[in-house]
Amino acid sequence: AQSVSQHNHHVILSEAASLELGCNYSYGGTVNLFWYVQYPGQHLQLLLKYFSGDPLVKGIKGFEAEFIKSKFSFNLRKPSVQWSDTAEYFCAVNGGDSGYALNFGKGTSLLVTP
Amino acid sequence: DTGVSQDPRHKITKRGQNVTFRCDPISEHNRLYWYRQTLGQGPEFLTYFQNEAQLEKSRLLSDRFSAERPKGSFSTLEIQRTEQGDSAMYLCASTRGENTGELFFGEGSRLTVL
Repeated sequence: AQSVSQHNHHVILSEAASLELGCNYSYGGTVNLFWYVQYPGQHLQLLLKYFSGDPLVKGIKGFEAEFIKSKFSFNLRKPSVQWSDTAEYFCAVNGGDSGYALNFGKGTSLLVTP
Repeated sequence: DTGVSQDPRHKITKRGQNVTFRCDPISEHNRLYWYRQTLGQGPEFLTYFQNEAQLEKSRLLSDRFSAERPKGSFSTLEIQRTEQGDSAMYLCASTRGENTGELFFGEGSRLTVL
């Protein structure tokens, strides 16, 4: 099955700082890549996804991610974070030998301070 | 609210007891997923259904776990002879048949085994 590795478990940033969260996946054929977010007290929701085409994907709330096939990476970025971005961020992959089931990374906890 | 609903939200039980969780997906969604999430980890795939058919089960799903979706609508996840290691958040998610990767998650059922 596909596996996902997220490098940063806890990140603390000040408002207006730039954000980049790392995500790497194991190879297993054609894959689809996702970032999910879980705000405090809320359920998981989709932030953005990549299936094919332009490797730079834009999602909600100013987030974007870049698929770099040669590096098996799908890093999440935001130029200027806000306090409301405080949340848990999960990278996920499906396809290849994992079929439709999403395989999630361990998550990165982001705290944005005022 | 027309989102995914799970019941109960929190269950405390003694080791050795059986517990059952229920998930009501979004009405037009024919795929339903169960995940387990423990502290500091991302959601781990357990099983999924397309309509009433259980199409995939993770190795994490031991013989003590069983899931059903008898009429292709709601689903139940039963854990028999609970162990302390079963303590976790059990997440349900649903989606339409096509592989958009956008899973709609419920708020989860938290199990505490004493």
